[in-house]
Amino acid sequence: SSELTQDPAVSVALGQTVRITCQGDSLRTYYASWYQQKPGQAPVLVIYGKNNRPSGIPDRFSGSSSGNTASLTITGAQAEDEADYYCNSRDSTGNHLRVFGGGTKLTVL
Amino acid sequence: EVQLVESGGGLIQPGGSLRLSCAASGFTVSDNYMSWVRQAPGKGLEWVSVIYSGGRTYYADSVKGRFTISRDNSKNTLYLQMNSLRAEDTAVYYCARDVTYFDYWGQGTLVTVSS
Repeated sequence: SSELTQDPAVSVALGQTVRITCQGDSLRTYYASWYQQKPGQAPVLVIYGKNNRPSGIPDRFSGSSSGNTASLTITGAQAEDEADYYCNSRDSTGNHLRVFGGGTKLTVL
Repeated sequence: EVQLVESGGGLIQPGGSLRLSCAASGFTVSDNYMSWVRQAPGKGLEWVSVIYSGGRTYYADSVKGRFTISRDNSKNTLYLQMNSLRAEDTAVYYCARDVTYFDYWGQGTLVTVSS
């Protein structure tokens, strides 16, 4: 079982705001990173660190964290944002293992 | 331009061995942490292993003792030696540069463990 917990599925109306959450004890110590994955494609980094976006990622993507919960917010969701989203961090038992959340399927209505 | 290209996947019988390769360009593998991540069909991402720039290695419990991560500095290539393969190891295997987050990923190579 994953040490990072995500809701399996979330939906959002086109143009509205959606928050995808990730819970885990390790998030009290380490930042989460977030990945977007579309069918048949490799994951793409969308948020890392406190709230950083790699070059080419639209500014409608943002990240935040509070306590044991990290969040990915999409402000003004677009049809092309429909994808699976995964959080990632270190595991809670040691500093060297990595762990992914189970993933959230985002549907844009 | 950073590029990661995996190879070596295929169909293998249970109990068999396979070595995956990940050829890197645009950066030096030995100067970075590098990880393998896998994804079983229809499932989520699972971190498998990391090799640090200093050479230390770490593994997920699911593969510890069966898989070995290594690199060839002269070829700028990362490897994953997989032994005692099981049906549950069937997945697309990705290599990724690990800078506490995974900023570059390969396209993946499919490993199918089946008789």
